[in-house]
Amino acid sequence: GAGVSQSPRYKVAKRGQDVALRCDPISGHVSLFWYQQALGQGPEFLTYFQNEAQLDKSGLPSDRFFAERPEGSVSTLKIQRTQQEDSAVYLCASSISGGAVYEQFFGPGTRLTVL
Amino acid sequence: GENVEQHPSTLSVQEGDSAVIKCTYSDSASNYFPWYKQELGKRPQLIIDIRSNVGEKKDQRIAVTLNKTAKHFSLHITETQPEDSAVYFCAASLFSGYSTLTFGKGTMLLVSP
Repeated sequence: GAGVSQSPRYKVAKRGQDVALRCDPISGHVSLFWYQQALGQGPEFLTYFQNEAQLDKSGLPSDRFFAERPEGSVSTLKIQRTQQEDSAVYLCASSISGGAVYEQFFGPGTRLTVL
Repeated sequence: GENVEQHPSTLSVQEGDSAVIKCTYSDSASNYFPWYKQELGKRPQLIIDIRSNVGEKKDQRIAVTLNKTAKHFSLHITETQPEDSAVYFCAASLFSGYSTLTFGKGTMLLVSP
């Protein structure tokens, strides 16, 4: 079956531009996570959704970052007024349940480069 | 919050040798420890995980051990093959409710033929 997909795969933005990154989770997966992976580092948690509810946004680095999942399926991570330090790979992951932890399936990521 | 340290950052072995990657965690409440493999430019993929009610788990050439008292866990790969070359990440989280993963910084494993 189809895995987690993300688009675009690569995004180049000029500093100050707004960007929107899309995540299509595995169909039926309740939980959706966004992570930020800087070069040479492990993924770092940004935010978590259970269906359409954003239950945890403690990892969002600033108020320039905003995420939504309005219908409990596709999610969008938006970054306003991008800065060079936002350059990273943004990974989306989904898991089948919002209860006990189940395997998180990752998407291929969106590599964001801010010039 | 949870903090996960991972060592070494790079590891080079000859094909057929064993490789060991070690991680420590700070939150004694953590009880779920997955390992992910990430090939260059690809997505992280779960290769094995362990929960705190067991001390060791094996899956063919891969094994993970957990010492809850010392708060450390390790990945063991035996009979390494060139296709094992990748970055390996350990992670820790709580196995209850929803739970985010806290990752280590990764170990780049290079297996030379």
